[in-house]
Amino acid sequence: AQKITQTQPGMFVQEKEAVTLDCTYDTSDPSYGLFWYKQPSSGEMIFLIYQGSYDQQNATEGRYSLNFQKARKSANLVISASQLGDSAMYFCAMRSTFSGGYNKLIFGAGTRLAVHP
Amino acid sequence: DTGVSQDPRHKITKRGQNVTFRCDPISEHNRLYWYRQTLGQGPEFLTYFQNEAQLEKSRLLSDRFSAERPKGSFSTLEIQRTEQGDSAMYLCASSLGDRENEKLFFGSGTQLSVL
Repeated sequence: AQKITQTQPGMFVQEKEAVTLDCTYDTSDPSYGLFWYKQPSSGEMIFLIYQGSYDQQNATEGRYSLNFQKARKSANLVISASQLGDSAMYFCAMRSTFSGGYNKLIFGAGTRLAVHP
Repeated sequence: DTGVSQDPRHKITKRGQNVTFRCDPISEHNRLYWYRQTLGQGPEFLTYFQNEAQLEKSRLLSDRFSAERPKGSFSTLEIQRTEQGDSAMYLCASSLGDRENEKLFFGSGTQLSVL
């Protein structure tokens, strides 16, 4: 069975500092994709970054980077230079191309990030 | 491109009543998804459409739930005989394709409260 685990219910960070949000996953599929989404209080899920299982380099998108360790099955999100607007829920998600799972994302329980001034 | 829109944003109903939610995906997207999110949890997959065809339904989708996408554009999710356990945020998402790296675009959701 496929599963996403986010072990940090809540995280605090000082403005302008970096923060790492943890994500581990479980799948037996050889090919899969990993996503991070941000959900502010408005409720909309906002796509942040994507990492493919066969990508050789860690993904980066502006202040977001993904620390992908395939052997450990972890895909941690790193936010650099935190801003007050980064305060939100963050979800890690996975999509597989096998096991009939290619048509949906499976999400973790999320981490609530609070950025302090 | 106006994004994915959902209506209503909030719905309060009494137990036993029927409710219907609407989702308008991004216009060129032929994949449409419904998710349910309860407080403190991540979204859980409910069902998925490719154009007008409903291709997959989760075990979470009991026989009180029905979803349609009659012309391959907007979709509706109906819950019959609502129960207090149905209280949740119902999220709709759409995508252009189903490649491994295809990201989903989400709406702001419909928050359902069953009294």
